[in-house]
Formats: sequence, structure tokens, C-alpha cells
Amino acid sequence: DSGVTQTPKHLITATGQRVTLRCSPRSGDLSVYWYQQSLDQGLQFLIQYYNGEERAKGNILERFSAQQFPDLHSELNLSSLELGDSALYFCASSVGTGAETQYFGPGTRLLVL
Amino acid sequence: DQQVKQNSPSLSVQEGRISILNCDYTNSMFDYFLWYKKYPAEGPTFLISISSIKDKNEDGRFTVFLNKSAKHLSLHIVPSQPGDSAVYFCAASAPRGSTLGRLYFGRGTQLTVWP
Repeated sequence: DSGVTQTPKHLITATGQRVTLRCSPRSGDLSVYWYQQSLDQGLQFLIQYYNGEERAKGNILERFSAQQFPDLHSELNLSSLELGDSALYFCASSVGTGAETQYFGPGTRLLVL
Repeated sequence: DQQVKQNSPSLSVQEGRISILNCDYTNSMFDYFLWYKKYPAEGPTFLISISSIKDKNEDGRFTVFLNKSAKHLSLHIVPSQPGDSAVYFCAASAPRGSTLGRLYFGRGTQLTVWP
């Protein structure tokens, strides 16, 4: 158990809908990262928050947004969902930012029908 | 652009033998490297890491070697056990304070250890 929790574990929804994925980092970690893993892709970095502020952005679509709250939990919002958004979404956390170990949650499996 | 590459999608090794997983990178700014292990339907689990100031780091049965000049790292598992069967991801990170602090992942190598 990494100490990072993610909910829900599974999510099935329809095209055009909006969903919210939630992540709670390990106790003491200030950074939260979101990654997407599709069938034909490796783990792709989406976005990083550090202590409530956006720190880095990767290949995140404009239809996707995230935030980190004062209690350090984070939410990833996916809107106008398309079939191609079906993937595993992982959250990771670390103490600071930069070159250090990130600990991953169990992931949310999203299926868009 | 894949900055971290794992060119072997799969590796099959007999129990008790050595498993060697390889990883290459292209970005010379990377200075911290990690290996993660992933079972199906679970998140990646941190295994071992190495900083660019070292060329070797060992933790029990796992040893990571780093060759900076060749931009290559490898993970050695000795002896391999059936429970080691999983997908292994190599990841790299750039210096602290940079916006490149995120992890760049390879596509993974499926290791199968057979009895």
C-alpha cells in the first residue's frame, strides 16, 4: 500500500459526459501528479500540483482540468468525454517537486461508451 | 517524442537466474532514474532509484546500473523469482526546481519468471 488513495476504482460513462476523479496523497506529500495510461501508450504525464498551485503541465487536453485543495487532495475533471479517453488514470504524490520518488495510487479505470 | 525507451517489450527468465532489464534515455538533463513494477489492475510500485552522481545502487535482490555516457541504465534481479513476474517501467526525472520535475516513463517490459 503506497498510501495514495484514488476514487472511484472504476467508472463507466457515456460520450459527452463529465466525470471527476479524486486523489488523496500520502501524508506529508505536497505534490500531486496525474498520469494517463492508454492501451497503446505508456504512462503519460498530465499535470502536477504543488501545495495548491499548478506546477507543470504535460499532454493534458483542454477538456481536462485539475485542482489541488487546501487539504492537499486533488481532483481531475474530464469533460465532453470521447471514446478515446478510456484509460487508466493514476495519481502519484511526492514530498516536494523535482527529482524524487513518486508514489502511485491504485488508479481509476475509466470506460467511455 | 519518447525520451525514455525500453526496447524489449518482454523478457522470459527461469527461476533462480538473473533478469536484466534495459532502458535508454535521450535527455542529458535527466539526473534521477527510477524503476517501477506494475501488476495488472494495480498502480506502479516503486522499486529502486539511482541518482546521476552514482553508477550503481543495490537493494536486496535488485541492482540498478547507470552508464551516463551511454545514456543507459539497467535493472538486475538476482535471483529471479516467480513473484517478480510483472511489467517493469523505467522512469527519469530532471533536476529539482525545474518544470521538468515530472517523470518520463518508458513503455515497460513484461518480465515472466518461470519455474
